[in-house]
Amino acid sequence: GENVEQHPSTLSVQEGDSAVIKCTYSDSASNYFPWYKQELGKGPQLIIDIRSNVGEKKDQRIAVTLNKTAKHFSLHITETQPEDSAVYFCAASSTGGGNKLTFGTGTQLKVEL
Amino acid sequence: NAGVTQTPKFQVLKTGQSMTLQCAQDMNHNSMYWYRQDPGMGLRLIYYSASEGTTDKGEVPNGYNVSRLNKREFSLRLESAAPSQTSVYFCASSIKVAGQGISGANVLTFGAGSRLTVL
Repeated sequence: GENVEQHPSTLSVQEGDSAVIKCTYSDSASNYFPWYKQELGKGPQLIIDIRSNVGEKKDQRIAVTLNKTAKHFSLHITETQPEDSAVYFCAASSTGGGNKLTFGTGTQLKVEL
Repeated sequence: NAGVTQTPKFQVLKTGQSMTLQCAQDMNHNSMYWYRQDPGMGLRLIYYSASEGTTDKGEVPNGYNVSRLNKREFSLRLESAAPSQTSVYFCASSIKVAGQGISGANVLTFGAGSRLTVL
């Protein structure tokens, strides 16, 4: 089955700096890569996703890049703000895998004032 | 629009006791899921239900049973709780039918979680 590795496990940045979280996946058949944000005491919520036919996608201050050859994808957050502090999960799924998501282990992002 | 509602939010059990976590969604989603979240291990799929009337094992099904009561409700049962089942449990739902050959997104909506402690 699919295996998703996520790094780093914790990340601390100064407000206004950029943050990058990286994930690798093992199944070359994976074709959908979402990112979820989990705020304290809440369930994860989708913030951005990318499909395998696209190399990069942006939504305001967040962007995701995908390198299918290397089987890795990354989340980029620019101009970080205190409300960006949360746990971020990457995930991968494939049509052949029934579209079930396999999640990474999560990154605790802390944005310091 | 409540989304995905889980009950209870907190529960403490003794080893060997049984309990059921309830989940309901009001978005008319086809698929429902139960995940557990443990420190350093991310979200792991316990069971899922691709559509009403079907259930399938996920990555970590041992010690659990599920029931898809109707399209709205999907419950998770621990028959004989063990300390290793101490975790935060999340129910989720999605409109894509998991298991079919539909390419593209499978966007999950999660509940707020249920924190279970087994002593």
